[in-house]
Amino acid sequence: GDSVTQMEGPVTLSEEAFLTINCTYTATGYPSLFWYVQYPGEGLQLLLKATKADDKGSNKGFEATYRKETTSFHLEKGSVQVSDSAVYFCALSDLAYTGNQFYFGTGTSLTVIP
Amino acid sequence: GAVVSQHPSWVICKSGTSVKIECRSLDFQATTMFWYRQFPKQSLMLMATSNEGSKATYEQGVEKDKFLINHASLTLSTLTVTSAHPEDSSFYICSARVPLGASYEQYFGPGTRLTVT
Repeated sequence: GDSVTQMEGPVTLSEEAFLTINCTYTATGYPSLFWYVQYPGEGLQLLLKATKADDKGSNKGFEATYRKETTSFHLEKGSVQVSDSAVYFCALSDLAYTGNQFYFGTGTSLTVIP
Repeated sequence: GAVVSQHPSWVICKSGTSVKIECRSLDFQATTMFWYRQFPKQSLMLMATSNEGSKATYEQGVEKDKFLINHASLTLSTLTVTSAHPEDSSFYICSARVPLGASYEQYFGPGTRLTVT
């Protein structure tokens, strides 16, 4: 079945450091891929998404490219800020095969220190 | 953009009692909503799919008699945890599915933290 594997955390970085959070997926069809962010005590917020191979999603300095050949959707940011401290979830959804059900990775906790 | 609200945001109840959590789509209609459960430091687990006007579809391992879902209108789905026990303490999140062209978007509510004492 469909699944998402996400790099385990926690991740601690200094402000202005480069961030990469790895995400790989397994899917029967051609899923859409997402990154969600969860701040402490809050629900999930969509950070970015990509709906087909080679698409690049970007938002707030974060970006991720849908790589079909490596079944990956790694999240990157060139210079993190303290306000980026949160838990990041990679997810996939395939309307054709799973009726738009979302499959989430286990989440990666990021702490950015000044 | 589409907004999904949940009420309450935080609830404490005694063991053996029931608690109802509401999920509302504020500025759109949603024929399909989803209920997730999140344990501390873990990912979201899909519990059930709620379809307006019909019975919910539960994921394997989720007790439908314990977690009652009602989707009586196009803007409201409710999750009732019956005879709650401490192990039901968790963060419950709903999402609503919105048609977008030939596909769909999902918007998530802010979550409800349930603590059973």
